[in-house]
Amino acid sequence: DQQVKQNSPSLSVQEGRISILNCDYTNSMFDYFLWYKKYPAEGPTFLISISSIKDKNEDGRFTVFLNKSAKHLSLHIVPSQPGDSAVYFCAASAPGTYKYIFGTGTRLKVLA
Amino acid sequence: NAGVTQTPKFQVLKTGQSMTLQCAQDMNHNSMYWYRQDPGMGLRLIYYSASEGTTDKGEVPNGYNVSRLNKREFSLRLESAAPSQTSVYFCASIRAPYNEQFFGPGTRLTVL
Repeated sequence: DQQVKQNSPSLSVQEGRISILNCDYTNSMFDYFLWYKKYPAEGPTFLISISSIKDKNEDGRFTVFLNKSAKHLSLHIVPSQPGDSAVYFCAASAPGTYKYIFGTGTRLKVLA
Repeated sequence: NAGVTQTPKFQVLKTGQSMTLQCAQDMNHNSMYWYRQDPGMGLRLIYYSASEGTTDKGEVPNGYNVSRLNKREFSLRLESAAPSQTSVYFCASIRAPYNEQFFGPGTRLTVL
């Protein structure tokens, strides 16, 4: 049972445009969400996070939106740059646990 | 400050052989994790250690054992490798819950 789902395996966007990556979850106990970026042959690196007490968090070009009623979060990258081409994973955690459950990832390709 | 280090980087095993993947972190983090990454499956949690002296099963623990040797080191052992364990293995650590995980560079394991 996949508790965290990223239904788009891949996404292509023109340089300078907005990239929107989506993530859905099924466990209503999740209260902390993170996005990671992964380049080939490297470990994932942390990008941005959001707590369930917020509905939006921004960090430079990256914004994460959380819709708790829909159990949905999205990552917006504006403007997209070729260096953003990578696989993006969302992850979720529930209170009182140390476990982080990851989605299957979305491969973003930013076209120059 | 090396962060999270993993050894070896690559390994080829024959079915039935055993091996131990090593992980160490120098950030004084309390919790450590082992994940495997397979195409289309994202990152799946194998085992984690919330603190020194404790270990718990994740989503896919069968066929693996772990040892939290001390606060710095967390090893993953395959007692009798199977082709289904061919994967890329990542170790990660966090200081405390509601923090981002720091990942190592990964170990690419092939079981023939």
